[in-house]
Amino acid sequence: IVLTQSPATLSLSPGERATLSCRASQSLDNYLAWYQQKPGQAPRLLIYDASNRATGIPARFSGSGSGTDFTLTISSLEPEDFAVYYCHQRTNWPQYSFGQGTKLEIK
Amino acid sequence: EVQLLESGGGLVQPGGSLRLSCAASGFTFSNHAMGWVRQAPGKGLEWVSSISGEGDLTYYADSVKGRFIVSRDNSKHTQYLQMSSLRAEDTAIYYCTKAMTRINGWWDYWGQGTPVTVSS
Repeated sequence: IVLTQSPATLSLSPGERATLSCRASQSLDNYLAWYQQKPGQAPRLLIYDASNRATGIPARFSGSGSGTDFTLTISSLEPEDFAVYYCHQRTNWPQYSFGQGTKLEIK
Repeated sequence: EVQLLESGGGLVQPGGSLRLSCAASGFTFSNHAMGWVRQAPGKGLEWVSSISGEGDLTYYADSVKGRFIVSRDNSKHTQYLQMSSLRAEDTAIYYCTKAMTRINGWWDYWGQGTPVTVSS
C-alpha cells in the first residue's frame, strides 16, 4: 500500500491552522496513524486509528478520515509544532508502510 | 516511564554483520510486540521487522528478508536485530519500537535510535 502525503512542505505562521493530507492507494478502513518527528529526535505517535489521540497529545491535534483519504489538523500552531509529519498504515499487516512526510515550516 | 535504549550500532564494511540491542523498561515486556524501523540519512521512515510478545511470530520487510533476524529475550527485557550481509543501502538510524499490543498494533514508544553505517 502506497501512502501519498501532501503537501510536501507547508509554510504557516504560529496561530494558524494546519491541514495535512494522506492518501492511500487502497482502503485502509481506519488503520492509519500520524507521527511527528523533530530534527535529531525519534518519531512520536500523535494519532492512531485515524482519529484517536495518543497519550499526552494536546487537543489541538486531531485526525479524521477513513478509507483512502485522511487528514491531520492542527487547530492553532504552536512554535513547537514545526516538524515533519508522517502517516503510517497497518492495514496491510505485517507489511507496514509510511508516507514520505510533510515538512511543516515557519513562514 | 517507558524507556527503550538501543545499542550496537556503528561502522561496518559491506558484507559484514552487526547486532543491535534494545533494552526496555517501564512496561510488561512480554505483553507487547516490538519492532525496528530505520531512517536513512535525510530520508523517511522504513519498517524493518516486528516480533510478537512471546517471540513466536516474526516479520520482515522484503528489503531485509533473509539477511536480518529479529529476536527477543523476555527474561532480559531486550530485543535484538542480527544484521548480516550488510549493504550500503542499510545505512540508517535504527529505531526500536514498542507496540500497543502483544501481536500487532501501533508503535506508541520509540527509542532514540542507533546509527549504522555500511561503508568500506
